[in-house]
Amino acid sequence: DVKVTQSSRYLVKRTGEKVFLECVQDMDHENMFWYRQDPGLGLRLIYFSYDVKMKEKGDIPEGYSVSREKKERFSLILESASTNQTSMYLCASSFGYWGNLNTEAFFGQGTRLTVV
Amino acid sequence: AQSVTQPDIHITVSEGASLELRCNYSYGATPYLFWYVQSPGQGLQLLLKYFSGDTLVQGIKGFEAEFKRSQSSFNLRKPSVHWSDAAEYFCAVAGGATNKLIFGTGTLLAVQP
Repeated sequence: DVKVTQSSRYLVKRTGEKVFLECVQDMDHENMFWYRQDPGLGLRLIYFSYDVKMKEKGDIPEGYSVSREKKERFSLILESASTNQTSMYLCASSFGYWGNLNTEAFFGQGTRLTVV
Repeated sequence: AQSVTQPDIHITVSEGASLELRCNYSYGATPYLFWYVQSPGQGLQLLLKYFSGDTLVQGIKGFEAEFKRSQSSFNLRKPSVHWSDAAEYFCAVAGGATNKLIFGTGTLLAVQP
């Protein structure tokens, strides 16, 4: 079974703290994604990585950065946490080529982050 | 840039009734299209995917979706809804030079007994 593991299910941080969310996949996937999920807004792409050390901004990258030093690990960093970053954060991974029947994005269970 | 629109935020159907959830996409080339489901407190699960060929795609749990290029749509259907289908449904599009996977805002399905 494909596994995408996020380091924490629940996290409470203070405003201004630097926050690290970790995601690890075990399927040798090229693509990794970070989304945040908010009621009524769906899943919004924060950052995307298609290879080690390669990244692209998604739709809402402001206030976030990412790191992918190894293929299996993709970290999301909140440089200075703010209350408007309170959300559910979802990590996903997939193979690089979408035009294959078996290529799909696999999701972790999510990290619910509260910034107080 | 690619985008996805799910015009219905919330839908309620009676158990046993048919279901259609709408999805429209914006993308320059042939897209790869997906429907995911998220049950309460659960992770996202792939229902089905269109990537080429037959425009009517069969998925898990009795769902199907039809790709209509002329309408830029990929609507999800089920002939008879079960109470366990109550969940949030997300349409997504991928592809192009960036290879990003972009989701819509979701449709929350409620099933009445």
